[in-house]
Amino acid sequence: EAGVTQSPRYAVLQEGQAVSFWCDPISGHDTLYWYQQPRDQGPQLLVYFRDEAVIDNSQLPSDRFSAVRPKGTNSTLKIQSAKQGDTATYLCASSPNRGAGNTLYFGEGSRLIVV
Amino acid sequence: QQQVRQSSQSLTVWEGETAILNCSYENSAFDYFPWYQQFPGEGPALLIAIRSVSDKKEDGRFTIFFNKREKNLSLHIKDSQPGDSATYFCAASASSGSWQLIFGSGTQLTVMP
Repeated sequence: EAGVTQSPRYAVLQEGQAVSFWCDPISGHDTLYWYQQPRDQGPQLLVYFRDEAVIDNSQLPSDRFSAVRPKGTNSTLKIQSAKQGDTATYLCASSPNRGAGNTLYFGEGSRLIVV
Repeated sequence: QQQVRQSSQSLTVWEGETAILNCSYENSAFDYFPWYQQFPGEGPALLIAIRSVSDKKEDGRFTIFFNKREKNLSLHIKDSQPGDSATYFCAASASSGSWQLIFGSGTQLTVMP
């Protein structure tokens, strides 16, 4: 069974540039999550979807960050006008359904450096 | 406010020793506590988990001890191996309300051969 696939693995931007990260979850997993992991910190939830619907995006910096999952499968996280503080690894995860007790399966992450 | 706290940023043990990683939490509603293991360049992966109705969960060399009254838990890695060198994240979530999985800041374990 294929795991969660993310691309690109690395991105280096200058401040003010935009970047999009793509995620392909495990087949059959209806819940998809985007986490931000700054260096030497734990993952912090940005947004999550059940199928194509956004369930919680309260921690997504909405002025510059956006995320979509139009067909309930793949997802894209976009950062516009990047700032140095956005430097982090962006992790995508999926689970068979949402709720406490569900195992999250993470991709390898997309590492972003903003200079 | 850190809802899930891991007291040690790093821990070094010798091969064969028992590594003990500690974690505490603030929210009494948390009832599910997984530990995730992360190697450099990889995403976190579930290692072992416990629910608040239990005080101990064992899986091979890995054991979680849970103290609901004190709101803390620990991960014991028996007979540590160099291959166990990784960062370990304690996490927590609640069945009711927002189920969101909250991660601690991680403990980087190094097992010296």
